[in-house]
Amino acid sequence: QSVLTQPPSASGTPGQRVTISCSGSSSNIGSNYVYWYQQLPGTAPKLLIYRNNQRPSGVPDRFSGSKSGTSASLAISGLRSEDEADYYCAAWDDSLSGPFWVFGGGTKLTVL
Amino acid sequence: EVQLVQSGAEVKKPGESLRISCKGSGYSFTSYWISWVRQMPGKGLEWMGRIDPSDSYTNYSPSFQGHVTISADKSISTAYLQWSSLKASDTAMYYCARGSETGGFDPWGQGTLVTVSS
Repeated sequence: QSVLTQPPSASGTPGQRVTISCSGSSSNIGSNYVYWYQQLPGTAPKLLIYRNNQRPSGVPDRFSGSKSGTSASLAISGLRSEDEADYYCAAWDDSLSGPFWVFGGGTKLTVL
Repeated sequence: EVQLVQSGAEVKKPGESLRISCKGSGYSFTSYWISWVRQMPGKGLEWMGRIDPSDSYTNYSPSFQGHVTISADKSISTAYLQWSSLKASDTAMYYCARGSETGGFDPWGQGTLVTVSS
């Protein structure tokens, strides 16, 4: 059971906008930045969004992130077939047993 | 180019020991933490722990503390993940990843598949 909660799956048709949610607590998302990673099939994860809503160079502006309280979201607009991948949120956790990084369980995005 | 290159796939028996490696290049190895992340077959990402290569200070997830050892040799820009006694449940892909200026993990190594089977 992951510390951060994501829906296991999401889907959309080409050109659509999809959002993926990530829910945490005051010790992680509520007090630290959220990061998003994209894992294409058979490859290593790649940093997609950092510090809640910043894109590394080379990441298309179709990808955007947001955070409110203890939840965060990843939005993908103008969906493309190459966006089909697993998406993970992550945050630093300052709990008493920590500190340590925590991930969401991942969301498998299917482009119909 | 900043790069992390991991050692090759391993097949081991339960009870055996193992050390896998992650070699950094294209940057100052001692300036960034290296983390290890587990991905069990068909499952999500789990952060195991990290090391500061400048002084070998480590920080583990409670879930992995005592089960693995993370170390580094800064003279050869290499971090390690080690088990003293493998179990079948250690079968997984293991990734190393560098802590970046953004605070996130970037880049990641290509992964090392560890299979533990009798």
